[in-house]
Order: sequence, then C-alpha cells, then structure tokens
Amino acid sequence: AQSVDQPDAHVTLSEGASLELRCSYSYSAAPYLFWYVQYPGQSLQFLLKYITGDTVVKGTKGFEAEFRKSNSSFNLKKSPAHWSDSAKYFCALEGTGANTGKLTFGHGTILRVHP
Amino acid sequence: GALVYQYPRRTICKSGTSMRMECQAVGFQATSVAWYRQSPQKTFELIALSTVNSAIKYEQNFTQEKFPISHPNLSFSSMTVLNAYLEDRGLYLCGARTGRNSDYTFGSGTRLLVI
Repeated sequence: AQSVDQPDAHVTLSEGASLELRCSYSYSAAPYLFWYVQYPGQSLQFLLKYITGDTVVKGTKGFEAEFRKSNSSFNLKKSPAHWSDSAKYFCALEGTGANTGKLTFGHGTILRVHP
Repeated sequence: GALVYQYPRRTICKSGTSMRMECQAVGFQATSVAWYRQSPQKTFELIALSTVNSAIKYEQNFTQEKFPISHPNLSFSSMTVLNAYLEDRGLYLCGARTGRNSDYTFGSGTRLLVI
C-alpha cells in the first residue's frame, strides 16, 4: 500500500518568511513524488517532482523540495514567501508496477501568507 | 501546449438522478486518463485509471456500476455518476498524460452538487 501524510493542515506565516510544508510517505519501493498547488476554486497545478537523481528538485513559482530517503520525507520549501503563495498544497506519490499511473494524495496543507 | 478540458464546470442534480461529465485532452494524445474525486474537506481520491491497451481499473470503494467510464479514444473520456446522492458531491477531476515519464495535466474539474 502507498500513503502520503501531510501533518500540518494549516500553515500561516508572514510575507518574506521562509516556508516549509511537510510531507512524508510510505511505500515499499522507490516512489515518484510530486507537489501540486490548488488555488481557491481552481484545479491542481503541478509544482515539481522527484523521480531519481539529485535529491533537491526545483519547480515552478520558485519552489523546491528535498527528497530524504532516510526519513521518507519530501518537504516543500520556498524563501521568501509571497502573499500570492496562499493556497492549498498537495503532496502526492506515484507507485510502480501495478500502481503505475495512480497518484495517492495527502490531505493537503492550507498555506496562508499574510502581506 | 497540453490542456485538459472538463465539461461541465459545475452541475446540480437531484438526488437519485445521474450526471455525465466529460474530459478531453487537447494538444496531446493521452495514454493514461485518471478520474479523481475531491469530496468536501477531503483530499483527492482516485476513482479509476484508464490506460491505453488496458482495461479500466477501478479503485476500492468505486465501481463501474456506479461510475461507468467511456474512453473511446486517446483524447476523450467521459464518466457518469449514476444515482447520485449527497455523498457523491464534490469536485471530479480528470488528469491525462502521454506516458510514464510525463506529468499529469489536470482539467479544471466538474463540481457536482446533489440536492
């Protein structure tokens, strides 16, 4: 089975601060890991992904994430944060074999950045 | 660019009736199409995955009898919610991609309200 945990339902910070959204996963093999963002009333937008190689991946909108196999984490980071980053962020995992193509999403973290 | 259109954007149906929604990939030939549901205050749950040259695979808690999917070609998919009830409300998201190494492009979703 594959699962994704985003332990923080809400994160609030001030514009200019550094943000880090936590994500941990459980999967028996090497996963593909993703971050998506959902702005209010909108669909999912791709931010970045990790497949293999360099454990720090950079994505759109100035975001990056670090894959840490040792603690099964894939935290999303950005510095500095901007008020326009306020949205809901989803971490997702795609498995392999029979689970190829199936994205498992975390419950999401609502980020609020105060101007 | 690669786009996924979903229609309708929003719909209301009476409890016990059925509702059909469509998904079209534009600008690319999708080899995989995945349907997700985001129920209120919840994350995205995979309903079914359709892959070229394979049968449509439904996830646990979702059945073909309840959510029949038609995928006549690589660019078009439709799904019907049969006998919709309150627990079926939510945002239904369609994602499509061209292969294992490409990212899913998601549509804007169809928001289903059941009254």
